[in-house]
Amino acid sequence: DGGITQSPKYLFRKEGQNVTLSCEQNLNHDAMYWYRQDPGQGLRLIYYSQIVNDFQKGDIAEGYSVSREKKESFPLTVTSAQKNPTAFYLCASSNAYSTGELFFGEGSRLTVL
Amino acid sequence: DAKTTQPPSMDCAEGRAANLPCNHSTISGNEYVYWYRQIHSQGPQYIIHGLKNNETNEMASLIITEDRKSSTLILPHATLRDTAVYYCIVRVRGGSQGNLIFGKGTKLSVKP
Repeated sequence: DGGITQSPKYLFRKEGQNVTLSCEQNLNHDAMYWYRQDPGQGLRLIYYSQIVNDFQKGDIAEGYSVSREKKESFPLTVTSAQKNPTAFYLCASSNAYSTGELFFGEGSRLTVL
Repeated sequence: DAKTTQPPSMDCAEGRAANLPCNHSTISGNEYVYWYRQIHSQGPQYIIHGLKNNETNEMASLIITEDRKSSTLILPHATLRDTAVYYCIVRVRGGSQGNLIFGKGTKLSVKP
């Protein structure tokens, strides 16, 4: 079935460690996005990419990095520079030239110990 | 993209219609209204969208006022599985989605 796969679903890391969250889609969508969600809050945009080899910062990009080497993949690295990385991370994709809605993965919950 | 205002929470009895309001008084003529919902600890799910006409699909109906400054999402027969946070978003269809704003939404609790 077509969709977006995020892994891992749960991740624990020690302070000072970088960690990479995976996001893969087989929907042939051009655009992909990373959001962060804190408890009781809405979603905040970290990075987005409209095409391969190109991406833009969202509202809270500091302490994060991304790459878009393949259309179907958009990994997010949470670096040690991110001061408060414990959160729920959501990846999404869209085809801007159809109905335009976002399709989300099931999320990755990162906890810093 | 225009900003939206939603009540923080609502209750609905199981089997009754759930009517979720959204204000978007600064909406532009080319901006659509989109609704998503998020069940606890899952990714948001697209529900419906519209421009100015009322829309209906298998999940819900969307009623947009004539001046387009507000809209209502209707779940005609709410079930316990409809308990979720509902987000109303306005944006240009097909445009850059880098400025999508997911606010806190409305937490709908469907009660037996």
